Amino acid sequence: LAKTTQPISMDSYEGQEVNITCSHNNIATNDYITWYQQFPSQGPRFIIQGYKTKVTNEVASLFIPADRKSSTLSLPRVSLSDTAVYYCLVGGNYQLIWGAGTKLIIKP
Amino acid sequence: NAGVMQNPRHLVRRRGQEARLRCSPMKGHSHVYWYRQLPEEGLKFMVYLQKENIIDESGMPKERFSAEFPKEGPSILRIQQVVRGDSAAYFCASSPPVTGQETQYFGPGTRLLVL
Repeated sequence: LAKTTQPISMDSYEGQEVNITCSHNNIATNDYITWYQQFPSQGPRFIIQGYKTKVTNEVASLFIPADRKSSTLSLPRVSLSDTAVYYCLVGGNYQLIWGAGTKLIIKP
Repeated sequence: NAGVMQNPRHLVRRRGQEARLRCSPMKGHSHVYWYRQLPEEGLKFMVYLQKENIIDESGMPKERFSAEFPKEGPSILRIQQVVRGDSAAYFCASSPPVTGQETQYFGPGTRLLVL
């Protein structure tokens, strides 16, 4: 099972674009990359999932280079309510391994 | 379409008592997963169930912990003779039938406090 590495914490300001990069050097051929967001005292919320290249939805974009050894979650024009922990996971089935995530703090 | 529901949201037990945590998956989802989360840590997989079947319980302690997902009714995570170390947030997730990398949708969690 692949292990992911992401920054422990990040700060940014309202209105900025935030990019959180995740390393997964041992990603397997069948593995997808999934990002979740978690607010205090709540369950994780699915943000985006991808396999390669770029995926975009109404909330975020996910950039995956050709070697798939890393991925970058991009949050456009963040607001204070985007302050949360963001988890990067890789896996080919239900066995998702959760790291400690990236604590993102958005300042006014 | 209601999301994943868990109850109770908060549960206080004394050492030695039993804790029962319930999870109702999203409509149309037949797969349930239980996770445990300690403060400032990521989630840790415990068990994966389908209706009336335990598919993978490799993350669940061999003793005192059990899980079920009956044909009718919610999934239950049961912790017998709780100890202080069982204090944590327990999250349930559900997904449609797994054929690849299905997204797991999480409930709000049950926070268990053992006194």
